[in-house]
Amino acid sequence: DAKTTQPPSMDCAEGRAANLPCNHSTISGNEYVYWYRQIHSQGPQYIIHGLKNNETNEMASLIITEDRKSSTLILPHATLRDTAVYYCIASNDYKLSFGAGTTVTVRA
Amino acid sequence: DAGVIQSPRHEVTEMGQEVTLRCKPISGHNSLFWYRQTMMRGLELLIYFNNNVPIDDSGMPEDRFSAKMPNASFSTLKIQPSEPRDSAVYFCASQKGPGETQYFGPGTRLLVL
Repeated sequence: DAKTTQPPSMDCAEGRAANLPCNHSTISGNEYVYWYRQIHSQGPQYIIHGLKNNETNEMASLIITEDRKSSTLILPHATLRDTAVYYCIASNDYKLSFGAGTTVTVRA
Repeated sequence: DAGVIQSPRHEVTEMGQEVTLRCKPISGHNSLFWYRQTMMRGLELLIYFNNNVPIDDSGMPEDRFSAKMPNASFSTLKIQPSEPRDSAVYFCASQKGPGETQYFGPGTRLLVL
């Protein structure tokens, strides 16, 4: 699986959009970009995934650059409950390699 | 749907004792995963089952660890004998099929004294 790089931490204001970047410059053509998050003391939770096209669901939007070397997870209206560690993963099979992720703190 | 169920949620044991962690995957899911999370190593895959058959156990640390899946609704991860360095949170996850979302359980917090 391709290595991903994320900033270690970021803050955002409650009610504002949170934009979480991820670099995956060595991603291969058949690797999907997955985003999971882990709220303190809980198991990781799936957010969204995509291959080439931008994706949106009830939780978030995923913007993947045309060259697929980076992506951005957007939480449109962050709430305090979105405070968590967010993991960006590139994978084309069952293996999900969780790195250190980005610790997102949503502040009131 | 109850989600992935793990038991016990917390386990404290003494070094040398046998520890058995249990997992019930989501009904209808054909794949099951065991992960371990520590501060030092993060979240790492231990073993992957598909249709009750172990497919990839390359992440199992050593012979003290063993995992079984006797049927589609139950799996165990056993550590014998346990050591303090095994202290971690152990997660079980299940997946309906290849490429599908992995759903994680709440984890078992293991402390080996």
